Amino acid sequence: EIVMTQSPATLSVSPGERATLSCRASQSVTSNLAWYQQRPGQAPRLLVYGASTRATGIPARFSGSGSGTEFTLTISSLQSEDFALYSCQQYNDWPWTFGQGTKVEIK
Amino acid sequence: QVQLVESGGGVVQPGRSLRLSCAASGFTFSSYAMHWVRQAPGKGLEWVAVISYDGINKYYRDSVKGRFTISRDNSKNTLFLQVNSLRAEDTALYYCASSYCNSSNCYNFDYWGQGTLITVSS
Repeated sequence: EIVMTQSPATLSVSPGERATLSCRASQSVTSNLAWYQQRPGQAPRLLVYGASTRATGIPARFSGSGSGTEFTLTISSLQSEDFALYSCQQYNDWPWTFGQGTKVEIK
Repeated sequence: QVQLVESGGGVVQPGRSLRLSCAASGFTFSSYAMHWVRQAPGKGLEWVAVISYDGINKYYRDSVKGRFTISRDNSKNTLFLQVNSLRAEDTALYYCASSYCNSSNCYNFDYWGQGTLITVSS
């Protein structure tokens, strides 16, 4: 199965600062990569699909990039509601697999 | 708006069974593939199983093959997961989630429920 590796595991950022999250696939997933946000006690929410397309209603401060095996989620200016767990997921091959997540915490 | 509401979780002994349900509303359930995804305490998300929009095609992760069965009732907009021979490592919050599939590909999860917790413990 395709192994998804996210880094860092935890990212400490001050409100208003930029956050850059990385996701690496063990083999190419082309652009079949999604990012999800999960606030404590809540279900995951789709942020980005197709590696770079924002889902409906997602603010423009969230942007995704990359293809193949290297992907990035950037949050341009962190708001209080953005402190959460972020997971990448490939849907190129079965079984679909997730990264272990990056926790974005308040610095 | 789209709602997915899971139920059926609980505390069970190893080897026992449960049947999870996911009631869907706010979208055309019968047009979407449906999945179960789980999250063990303090761990990442793990895809478990998928069923095609019409219930014909089903796929499972290896660790649950032969023990879990996914099914759906499109007349009742409901997804199911029959979980048998439960093990301690099946302890997790189980989410149902939707995704769109065409004839050749399935795409990202669109919507998620809030989850139902299975705890396997003696």
